[in-house]
Amino acid sequence: EVQLVESGGGLVQPGGSLRLSCAASGFTFSNSWMHWVRHAPGKGLVWVSRINSDGSTTSYADSVKGRFTISRDNAKNTLFLQMNSLTAEDTAVYYCTRPGYSISWGWRHWFDPWGQGTLVTVSS
Amino acid sequence: QSALTQPASVSGSPGQSITISCTGTSSDVGGYNYVSWYQQHPGKAPKLMIYDVTNRPSGISNRFSGSKSGNTASLTISGLQAEDEADYYCSSYTSSSTWVFGGGTKLTVL
Repeated sequence: EVQLVESGGGLVQPGGSLRLSCAASGFTFSNSWMHWVRHAPGKGLVWVSRINSDGSTTSYADSVKGRFTISRDNAKNTLFLQMNSLTAEDTAVYYCTRPGYSISWGWRHWFDPWGQGTLVTVSS
Repeated sequence: QSALTQPASVSGSPGQSITISCTGTSSDVGGYNYVSWYQQHPGKAPKLMIYDVTNRPSGISNRFSGSKSGNTASLTISGLQAEDEADYYCSSYTSSSTWVFGGGTKLTVL
């Protein structure tokens, strides 16, 4: 069974940092692209970041570019999100998710499955 | 990276059909057949319902269907059931090689 388990969330002061982790199991993590998506209270889902299978290429939403860094440890089947210079607008549940895959077309543009999420609260 | 536009809420009675729209631009929804839809119940993770505009993952009821015309994609749920009550989000790949979600639609089953 494919499983994604996030951890590392918590309460942090504005301007602080936090590192989220996502432990993957049930599939070949080292072959998989991965994403982070967040869900602020009362708002919609927002795509945050993506990393390719070996970690050599990444992309970010404009709202987090320069502050967040996505990375991975394929030996430990773990995805990370380093979050710096946090503001109240970063308060959200953060989900890790895997894109769909097609034998013909490779990594695709839908997200399945999702982890259960980890809550990040930025407040003084 | 503006969010795709969805109605804030829709409602329907059991057995009826409803449609949720998702409007973007030619740089996302209109430019690619890469629209997906997600169902999210309160406190739960999102669940994939439709991918690549019209395709249903295995295990998803055929009461759920997707379509697209121009810059607007749509999710139709037929034969509404109480358990369909949830938030629904659309998503699209974009010309910037990023992904964008809609603001979400709250479905109420009356």
